[in-house]
Amino acid sequence: DAKTTQPNSMESNEEEPVHLPCNHSTISGTDYIHWYRQLPSQGPEYVIHGLTSNVNNRMASLAIAEDRKSSTLILHRATLRDAAVYYCILRGFDYFGNEKLTFGTGTRLTIIP
Amino acid sequence: DTAVSQTPKYLVTQMGNDKSIKCEQNLGHDTMYWYKQDSKKFLKIMFSYNNKELIINETVPNRFSPKSPDKAHLNLHINSLELGDSAVYFCASSQGWGAGSRAGDEQFFGPGTRLTVL
Repeated sequence: DAKTTQPNSMESNEEEPVHLPCNHSTISGTDYIHWYRQLPSQGPEYVIHGLTSNVNNRMASLAIAEDRKSSTLILHRATLRDAAVYYCILRGFDYFGNEKLTFGTGTRLTIIP
Repeated sequence: DTAVSQTPKYLVTQMGNDKSIKCEQNLGHDTMYWYKQDSKKFLKIMFSYNNKELIINETVPNRFSPKSPDKAHLNLHINSLELGDSAVYFCASSQGWGAGSRAGDEQFFGPGTRLTVL
């Protein structure tokens, strides 16, 4: 099964950009790359997803390597509310149509005021 | 209005008991899910379900069973609870069905139910 690897923790100063890396070297051609974040005592919250091309939305940007074996979530201007655990997830389907969802261990992002 | 809600928020029970966790989504989504998050914060999918098909993660014991009275609800029943079942359980929903749409769909998660088995 495809797996994702993320740093356990990162720190960033408030109002500076943050680059959260994820390695997924065993990704298959039809797997989507999703990012979710989880604030303390809450359920995961969708951030962004992509397949091959870089993606932007109001929360973040997702940069996907050309070989798709890695990706980077970019928070352009971190705020204290962005402090959370960020999960890089591969989502796809196997030959039988069964859904495959692989959650990494996540990166705990700390924002320094 | 809460998009995906779960009850109860906390559940403390004795080993061997049978319990249920309820989940409701008011987003009109076709697909619902149950996840388990253990003490190490690993999040694992247990079930994905729509009104046509239930897909079970093969590692989930058959003591766990999802029940869907209608499209907006997916309850989780757990029989003969064991100590190792202690975890936070999350319900989620997403719009589509079919491999392509689901793989690209955003999932909306509930707030979680913390289950403690004594």
